[in-house]
Amino acid sequence: RKEVEQDPGPFNVPEGATVAFNCTYSNSASQSFFWYRQDCRKEPKLLMSVYSSGNEDGRFTAQLNRASQYISLLIRDSKLSDSATYLCVVNLLGSGAGSYQLTFGKGTKLSVIP
Amino acid sequence: DGGITQSPKYLFRKEGQNVTLSCEQNLNHDAMYWYRQDPGQGLRLIYYSQIVNDFQKGDIAEGYSVSREKKESFPLTVTSAQKNPTAFYLCASTMGGPGNTIYFGEGSWLTVV
Repeated sequence: RKEVEQDPGPFNVPEGATVAFNCTYSNSASQSFFWYRQDCRKEPKLLMSVYSSGNEDGRFTAQLNRASQYISLLIRDSKLSDSATYLCVVNLLGSGAGSYQLTFGKGTKLSVIP
Repeated sequence: DGGITQSPKYLFRKEGQNVTLSCEQNLNHDAMYWYRQDPGQGLRLIYYSQIVNDFQKGDIAEGYSVSREKKESFPLTVTSAQKNPTAFYLCASTMGGPGNTIYFGEGSWLTVV
């Protein structure tokens, strides 16, 4: 089983739609979780961290379910500018004290259509 | 401004040549990482370093080498042993502990001609 798996894309949605992405992780010792956005031929940029209590930033809502080992990202009222690839990032506990390793999902491509 | 600087942004290399990609950060971060991204693919870890003078192989270290002589610098050398080096290379850094934001450089595009 892959360490971090994301919904297969691409997701093609009309403007104004609500879209949700899921990401599952296999290591229950995972410490922290993030959603990153990556535009074509650019570096990933932090969209939001994901907390156990869930968190919201404008049209974006992220949630973490430790029992089922998945995180989700919900985008409401999609805009054309939301078109990008969304990466799930999990910080795993590596070998040795204080050693952490980041693991990325392959990303889900979102295209918002006029 | 604080951040991660990668250079060069675009690089062309002839087969059989080694090339070094630079990564410098002024964020005072302990941990630094090198990732490779191929078109339509996710990020794959090449090497990472948690502290100065120490680094570990990632998932695809063969054909690559790194050094961490200074906290702010983590250069990556793509050697001639790397069979398919054409890719987008991303350097990143964090404070090293859980829950800390990961920052990326703008990336370097390497093409073998």
